[in-house]
Amino acid sequence: GAVVSQHPSRVICKSGTSVKIECRSLDFQATTMFWYRQFPKQSLMLMATSNEGSKATYEQGVEKDKFLINHASLTLSTLTVTSAHPEDSSFYICSARTSGKETQYFGPGTRLLVL
Amino acid sequence: GENVEQHPSTLSVQEGDSAVIKCTYSDSASNYFPWYKQELGKRPQLIIDIRSNVGEKKDQRIAVTLNKTAKHFSLHITETQPEDSAVYFCAAPRMDSSYKLIFGSGTRLLVRP
Repeated sequence: GAVVSQHPSRVICKSGTSVKIECRSLDFQATTMFWYRQFPKQSLMLMATSNEGSKATYEQGVEKDKFLINHASLTLSTLTVTSAHPEDSSFYICSARTSGKETQYFGPGTRLLVL
Repeated sequence: GENVEQHPSTLSVQEGDSAVIKCTYSDSASNYFPWYKQELGKRPQLIIDIRSNVGEKKDQRIAVTLNKTAKHFSLHITETQPEDSAVYFCAAPRMDSSYKLIFGSGTRLLVRP
């Protein structure tokens, strides 16, 4: 149980384009989903938190207009990187938790390369 | 501000030896401490967690100990195997939201065959 999928696993795009990443909880209802960013050999940095049916809350320094998050259902959250630039290249990982539980289960991550 | 410090950053052990990774946290109200294992290019996977009402928890070769007074918790891996080689992250809840986690900086464990 507690499986989280993420799609795509890797994406290469041109600078200025937008990229959408999907995060799905496959066998549980994810009341909260988290989006992290991880640079090589570094830790997980929380970008934003989304609760089903409400607006996402963003961490300090994360531009909400650049990283659009939608959590329209209890099993799906999407992160859209708008007008991507080479400095947005990173490993983006989502995680999900269900109501009343502290445990976060992570997706497999999406490696984004912006040329 | 709140922080989770993790040591060491790298750890190399001989197969069969034990490995210990330590983390300290700053919020005395924290009550949930997970450990994640991340292999290269893969997702972090929860390997064990502990809640503040116990001082130790074991799962086969893995154990976690918690010292609430000193505000630190440790991961212990016994009889290490090459497949234990990975990056390990500790985490603790944030002060502003108990279900958001702050992660330690990670420990790169290498088990030499």
